[in-house]
Amino acid sequence: DAGVIQSPRHEVTEMGQEVTLRCKPISGHNSLFWYRQTMMRGLELLIYFNNNVPIDDSGMPEDRFSAKMPNASFSTLKIQPSEPRDSAVYFCASSLLGFEQYFGPGTRLTVT
Amino acid sequence: EDQVTQSPEALRLQEGESSSLNCSYTVSGLRGLFWYRQDPGKGPEFLFTLYSAGEEKEKERLKATLTKKESFLHITAPKPEDSATYLCAVQVSGNTPLVFGKGTRLSVIA
Repeated sequence: DAGVIQSPRHEVTEMGQEVTLRCKPISGHNSLFWYRQTMMRGLELLIYFNNNVPIDDSGMPEDRFSAKMPNASFSTLKIQPSEPRDSAVYFCASSLLGFEQYFGPGTRLTVT
Repeated sequence: EDQVTQSPEALRLQEGESSSLNCSYTVSGLRGLFWYRQDPGKGPEFLFTLYSAGEEKEKERLKATLTKKESFLHITAPKPEDSATYLCAVQVSGNTPLVFGKGTRLSVIA
C-alpha cells in the first residue's frame, strides 16, 4: 500500500492568497483526520470525517478554514485568505474502524 | 478536558544507555494509548497501541507499558538510529481523534 498521500509537500504563498491542501487516505480506511503541527502547540486536530461525513470541526481555527471529503479516496483542506500565523505543517491521517491512525508525510505551509 | 503530558521534553543518551520516556494522561475514559515515532520532516509513524492497564508491547529495543495514569516507553541499549521525537496520544472512544502530547525529543550519541 502506498500509505497516506498528501500534496503538495511544500507550499509557500503570500498573505491573502488561497491555499488548498490535498489528501488521499489509505484505501479501505473509513476515517480521515486533518491535524496541524507547530513547535508551540504540537499536534492539534482540525477536523475529522467518518465515512466521508464531517463529524467534528471544532478545531478549525476560524471561517477561513474549510475541509471537504467528496469521496472515500480524497479530501481537501482550504485556507482562504491565508495569514502568516497559518504557517505550520499540516498532516492528514486515516484509520480503519477507529484503530491506529496512519499519517501522511505532511504539507509544510509558509505564508509570507 | 483530556490532557497528555510527556516528559522529559528532550533526552540525550549515549549509545547503549537505557532509559524511559514518560506519558501521563488525564482523560474521561481511555479506549487506547498510542505511541508514535516522528523523524524530522516526516509524519508520525505508528509504533504501539495499549488498551488496558498492565499491558506491555515490544518492538526491537522498545517496550511500552501502561498503568491507569501513565505509560512508559522503555528504550534498551539504544542506537543512534533511535534518535527521533516520540509522541504519545490517547483516544477516548472509537473512530475519534487522538489527543497528543508534545513529545520527547530523543538524541542517541555514538
